[in-house]
Amino acid sequence: DTGVSQNPRHKITKRGQNVTFRCDPISEHNRLYWYRQTLGQGPEFLTYFQNEAQLEKSRLLSDRFSAERPKGSFSTLEIQRTEQGDSAMYLCASSPGASSYEQYFGPGTRLTVT
Amino acid sequence: AQSVTQPDIHITVSEGASLELRCNYSYGATPYLFWYVQSPGQGLQLLLKYFSGDTLVQGIKGFEAEFKRSQSSFNLRKPSVHWSDAAEYFCAVFGQNFVFGPGTRLSVLP
Repeated sequence: DTGVSQNPRHKITKRGQNVTFRCDPISEHNRLYWYRQTLGQGPEFLTYFQNEAQLEKSRLLSDRFSAERPKGSFSTLEIQRTEQGDSAMYLCASSPGASSYEQYFGPGTRLTVT
Repeated sequence: AQSVTQPDIHITVSEGASLELRCNYSYGATPYLFWYVQSPGQGLQLLLKYFSGDTLVQGIKGFEAEFKRSQSSFNLRKPSVHWSDAAEYFCAVFGQNFVFGPGTRLSVLP
Protein backbone atom coordinates (compact mmCIF):
# COMPACT_ATOMS: atom_id res chain seq x y z
CA ASP A 1 0.00 0.00 0.00
CA THR A 2 1.76 3.09 -1.24
CA GLY A 3 -0.91 5.59 -0.29
CA VAL A 4 -2.61 8.18 -2.45
CA SER A 5 -0.30 9.86 -4.93
CA GLN A 6 -0.81 13.09 -6.83
CA ASN A 7 1.05 14.53 -9.78
CA PRO A 8 2.43 17.02 -10.30
CA ARG A 9 3.15 18.31 -6.80
CA HIS A 10 3.51 21.86 -8.05
CA LYS A 11 2.22 23.60 -11.15
CA ILE A 12 2.78 27.16 -12.22
CA THR A 13 0.76 28.34 -15.18
CA LYS A 14 -0.24 31.54 -16.88
CA ARG A 15 -3.77 32.82 -16.74
CA GLY A 16 -5.86 31.39 -19.54
CA GLN A 17 -3.93 28.13 -19.85
CA ASN A 18 -5.39 24.69 -19.21
CA VAL A 19 -3.98 22.40 -16.52
CA THR A 20 -4.58 18.77 -15.63
CA PHE A 21 -3.82 17.02 -12.38
CA ARG A 22 -3.68 13.31 -11.71
CA CYS A 23 -4.60 11.32 -8.63
CA ASP A 24 -3.80 7.66 -8.05
CA PRO A 25 -5.84 6.32 -5.13
CA ILE A 26 -5.05 3.43 -2.87
CA SER A 27 -5.72 0.28 -4.86
CA GLU A 28 -9.11 -1.30 -4.24
CA HIS A 29 -10.55 1.97 -2.93
CA ASN A 30 -13.87 2.56 -4.65
CA ARG A 31 -14.41 6.17 -3.71
CA LEU A 32 -12.31 9.09 -4.82
CA TYR A 33 -12.72 12.72 -3.77
CA TRP A 34 -11.31 16.03 -4.98
CA TYR A 35 -10.97 19.05 -2.70
CA ARG A 36 -9.58 22.53 -3.01
CA GLN A 37 -7.74 24.17 -0.12
CA THR A 38 -6.72 27.81 0.05
CA LEU A 39 -4.36 29.33 2.59
CA GLY A 40 -5.81 29.39 6.08
CA GLN A 41 -8.88 27.37 5.15
CA GLY A 42 -10.00 23.80 5.41
CA PRO A 43 -10.46 21.65 2.32
CA GLU A 44 -13.57 22.43 0.27
CA PHE A 45 -15.33 19.54 -1.40
CA LEU A 46 -15.33 19.66 -5.21
CA THR A 47 -16.49 16.28 -6.48
CA TYR A 48 -16.62 12.58 -5.72
CA PHE A 49 -16.56 9.31 -7.65
CA GLN A 50 -17.86 5.89 -6.80
CA ASN A 51 -15.81 3.69 -9.10
CA GLU A 52 -16.05 5.44 -12.48
CA ALA A 53 -19.32 7.23 -11.77
CA GLN A 54 -19.18 10.88 -10.75
CA LEU A 55 -21.90 11.01 -8.12
CA GLU A 56 -21.71 14.53 -6.79
CA LYS A 57 -20.34 17.90 -7.81
CA SER A 58 -20.10 20.97 -5.65
CA ARG A 59 -21.55 24.26 -6.80
CA LEU A 60 -17.98 25.50 -6.40
CA LEU A 61 -17.09 23.48 -9.48
CA SER A 62 -17.59 25.88 -12.37
CA ASP A 63 -17.94 24.79 -15.99
CA ARG A 64 -14.21 25.29 -16.40
CA PHE A 65 -13.55 22.35 -14.10
CA SER A 66 -13.97 18.74 -15.16
CA ALA A 67 -13.01 15.50 -13.51
CA GLU A 68 -12.86 11.97 -14.80
CA ARG A 69 -12.15 8.52 -13.47
CA PRO A 70 -12.33 6.49 -16.66
CA LYS A 71 -11.61 3.00 -15.39
CA GLY A 72 -12.47 3.44 -11.78
CA SER A 73 -8.80 3.69 -10.83
CA PHE A 74 -6.86 6.95 -11.28
CA SER A 75 -8.63 10.27 -11.71
CA THR A 76 -7.83 13.52 -13.48
CA LEU A 77 -8.98 17.03 -12.68
CA GLU A 78 -8.76 19.54 -15.51
CA ILE A 79 -9.11 23.28 -15.20
CA GLN A 80 -9.66 25.16 -18.44
CA ARG A 81 -8.86 28.85 -18.98
CA THR A 82 -7.27 29.17 -15.55
CA GLU A 83 -7.86 32.31 -13.49
CA GLN A 84 -5.81 33.73 -10.65
CA GLY A 85 -8.57 32.72 -8.25
CA ASP A 86 -7.88 29.10 -9.12
CA SER A 87 -4.56 29.29 -7.27
CA ALA A 88 -4.87 26.78 -4.44
CA MET A 89 -3.86 23.35 -3.24
CA TYR A 90 -5.87 20.60 -4.91
CA LEU A 91 -6.26 17.54 -2.73
CA CYS A 92 -7.32 14.06 -3.65
CA ALA A 93 -8.56 11.46 -1.19
CA SER A 94 -9.71 7.88 -1.52
CA SER A 95 -11.93 5.73 0.62
CA PRO A 96 -12.69 2.01 0.70
CA GLY A 97 -16.34 2.77 0.05
CA ALA A 98 -19.35 0.82 1.26
CA SER A 99 -19.95 1.87 4.86
CA SER A 100 -16.48 3.29 5.40
CA TYR A 101 -16.19 7.04 5.29
CA GLU A 102 -12.53 7.18 6.23
CA GLN A 103 -10.64 9.20 3.68
CA TYR A 104 -6.95 8.87 2.94
CA PHE A 105 -5.45 12.00 1.48
CA GLY A 106 -2.67 12.53 -1.00
CA PRO A 107 -0.03 15.25 -0.60
CA GLY A 108 -1.83 17.61 -2.95
CA THR A 109 -0.99 19.59 -6.08
CA ARG A 110 -0.21 23.25 -5.50
CA LEU A 111 -1.40 25.39 -8.41
CA THR A 112 -0.14 28.92 -8.93
CA VAL A 113 -1.76 30.97 -11.69
CA THR A 114 0.26 34.03 -12.70
CA ALA B 1 -27.08 22.71 5.44
CA GLN B 2 -24.21 21.39 7.47
CA SER B 3 -21.34 23.49 8.80
CA VAL B 4 -18.31 23.21 11.06
CA THR B 5 -16.75 25.89 13.21
CA GLN B 6 -13.41 25.81 14.96
CA PRO B 7 -13.40 28.89 17.18
CA ASP B 8 -9.65 28.97 17.75
CA ILE B 9 -7.55 29.98 14.77
CA HIS B 10 -4.23 29.53 16.59
CA ILE B 11 -3.33 27.94 19.90
CA THR B 12 0.05 27.86 21.62
CA VAL B 13 0.84 25.39 24.38
CA SER B 14 3.99 24.33 26.17
CA GLU B 15 5.39 20.89 25.60
CA GLY B 16 3.95 18.52 28.17
CA ALA B 17 0.85 20.61 28.76
CA SER B 18 -2.65 19.37 28.03
CA LEU B 19 -4.52 20.36 24.89
CA GLU B 20 -8.13 20.83 23.88
CA LEU B 21 -9.17 21.93 20.40
CA ARG B 22 -12.78 22.93 19.95
CA CYS B 23 -15.11 21.89 17.18
CA ASN B 24 -18.82 22.69 16.80
CA TYR B 25 -21.01 21.45 14.01
CA SER B 26 -24.44 22.15 12.61
CA TYR B 27 -26.46 19.32 11.11
CA GLY B 28 -30.02 18.12 11.48
CA ALA B 29 -29.12 14.61 12.53
CA THR B 30 -26.12 12.95 14.13
CA PRO B 31 -23.33 13.22 11.59
CA TYR B 32 -20.16 11.25 11.24
CA LEU B 33 -17.34 13.27 12.81
CA PHE B 34 -13.62 13.30 12.13
CA TRP B 35 -10.42 15.00 13.20
CA TYR B 36 -7.52 15.31 10.76
CA VAL B 37 -4.01 16.68 11.21
CA GLN B 38 -1.98 18.37 8.48
CA SER B 39 1.73 18.96 8.89
CA PRO B 40 3.57 21.33 6.52
CA GLY B 41 4.05 19.70 3.15
CA GLN B 42 2.10 16.62 4.21
CA GLY B 43 -1.32 15.32 3.35
CA LEU B 44 -4.11 15.24 5.87
CA GLN B 45 -3.92 12.31 8.26
CA LEU B 46 -6.95 10.90 10.04
CA LEU B 47 -6.58 11.09 13.83
CA LEU B 48 -9.92 9.64 14.87
CA LYS B 49 -13.57 9.31 13.93
CA TYR B 50 -16.98 9.02 15.55
CA PHE B 51 -19.84 7.17 13.91
CA SER B 52 -21.94 5.94 16.82
CA GLY B 53 -21.70 4.26 20.21
CA ASP B 54 -19.29 5.35 22.91
CA THR B 55 -19.05 9.13 22.80
CA LEU B 56 -15.40 9.14 23.85
CA VAL B 57 -13.24 7.92 21.01
CA GLN B 58 -9.56 7.16 21.00
CA GLY B 59 -7.31 7.91 18.09
CA ILE B 60 -3.72 7.71 17.04
CA LYS B 61 -0.81 9.60 18.60
CA GLY B 62 -2.53 9.70 22.01
CA PHE B 63 -5.45 11.87 20.91
CA GLU B 64 -9.04 11.44 22.00
CA ALA B 65 -12.26 13.27 21.26
CA GLU B 66 -15.63 13.47 22.94
CA PHE B 67 -18.93 13.81 21.11
CA LYS B 68 -21.50 15.88 23.00
CA ARG B 69 -24.83 15.87 21.22
CA SER B 70 -26.37 18.52 23.49
CA GLN B 71 -23.59 20.96 22.61
CA SER B 72 -23.11 19.85 18.99
CA SER B 73 -19.44 19.56 19.79
CA PHE B 74 -16.62 17.15 19.08
CA ASN B 75 -13.59 18.50 20.92
CA LEU B 76 -10.14 16.99 20.51
CA ARG B 77 -7.93 16.44 23.53
CA LYS B 78 -4.46 15.23 24.40
CA PRO B 79 -3.16 15.00 27.98
CA SER B 80 0.47 15.83 27.19
CA VAL B 81 1.54 17.58 24.01
CA HIS B 82 4.79 16.75 22.21
CA TRP B 83 6.73 19.17 20.03
CA SER B 84 5.94 16.97 17.03
CA ASP B 85 2.22 17.71 17.50
CA ALA B 86 2.71 21.21 16.08
CA ALA B 87 0.51 21.23 12.97
CA GLU B 88 -2.87 22.31 11.59
CA TYR B 89 -5.89 20.42 12.91
CA PHE B 90 -9.16 20.11 11.04
CA CYS B 91 -12.51 18.93 12.28
CA ALA B 92 -14.78 17.46 9.61
CA VAL B 93 -18.39 16.40 9.37
CA PHE B 94 -20.05 13.97 7.02
CA GLY B 95 -23.78 14.41 6.75
CA GLN B 96 -24.85 14.87 3.17
CA ASN B 97 -21.24 15.35 2.11
CA PHE B 98 -17.92 16.17 3.71
CA VAL B 99 -17.48 19.60 5.26
CA PHE B 100 -14.24 20.66 6.93
CA GLY B 101 -13.75 23.38 9.49
CA PRO B 102 -11.30 26.22 8.89
CA GLY B 103 -8.64 24.59 11.05
CA THR B 104 -6.73 25.39 14.22
CA ARG B 105 -2.99 25.91 14.04
CA LEU B 106 -1.16 24.45 17.02
CA SER B 107 2.22 25.77 18.09
CA VAL B 108 4.23 24.00 20.80
CA LEU B 109 6.73 25.84 22.99
CA PRO B 110 9.79 23.91 24.19
